[in-house]
Amino acid sequence: GAVVSQHPSRVICKSGTSVKIECRSLDFQATTMFWYRQFPKKSLMLMATSNEGSKATYEQGVEKDKFLINHASLTLSTLTVTSAHPEDSSFYICSARDWLAGTFEQFFGPGTRLTVL
Amino acid sequence: SQQGEEDPQALSIQEGENATMNCSYKTSINNLQWYRQNSGRGLVHLILIRSNEREKHSGRLRVTLDTSKKSSSLLITASRAADTASYFCATLIQGAQKLVFGQGTRLTINP
Repeated sequence: GAVVSQHPSRVICKSGTSVKIECRSLDFQATTMFWYRQFPKKSLMLMATSNEGSKATYEQGVEKDKFLINHASLTLSTLTVTSAHPEDSSFYICSARDWLAGTFEQFFGPGTRLTVL
Repeated sequence: SQQGEEDPQALSIQEGENATMNCSYKTSINNLQWYRQNSGRGLVHLILIRSNEREKHSGRLRVTLDTSKKSSSLLITASRAADTASYFCATLIQGAQKLVFGQGTRLTINP
């Protein structure tokens, strides 16, 4: 199956700093990527839909100035958590859809655990 | 917003037994998918069932879909300790391109 990678897998930062998380589709092109957030023992909450070459579409309640998303190529989307605070600590997961395959299947990255001190 | 409701929230069974998890949703869907997540890890896609399908099999997995009741079930037969994980259903809502996840079922297989 298609592979999606995330980097870093784990990051610890100080409050007030910005953190960038990368999501890459390794063996397919993804016009659309999705960013999710997951709290411990909870489900995935969709944060935003990222389309290559255009602005991301954010879900209600997600601050777009706080969570900057860039999808500059068909294989890379980035999520930047700006001025991170302890409440931003969470597990962030991206997914990508292989548009050439013509299916609705999404492939998920392994996730990035963010801890803000 | 999350539209999927899963039950049970947690399930603990003995190895070798069958495990059944249920998922209900609220709006019209294009398809429904089941995923597995091991603790602290990413999601693994298990099976996709389209809205015009009623049942699908993949190895020890059997998924049913009842669009009239807006519900689906995932059956894992002959469970193994390695099946211990959280299982999520996700629906692709008609007219939208995003997946909406259920709350998940935490499955524990006791050796």
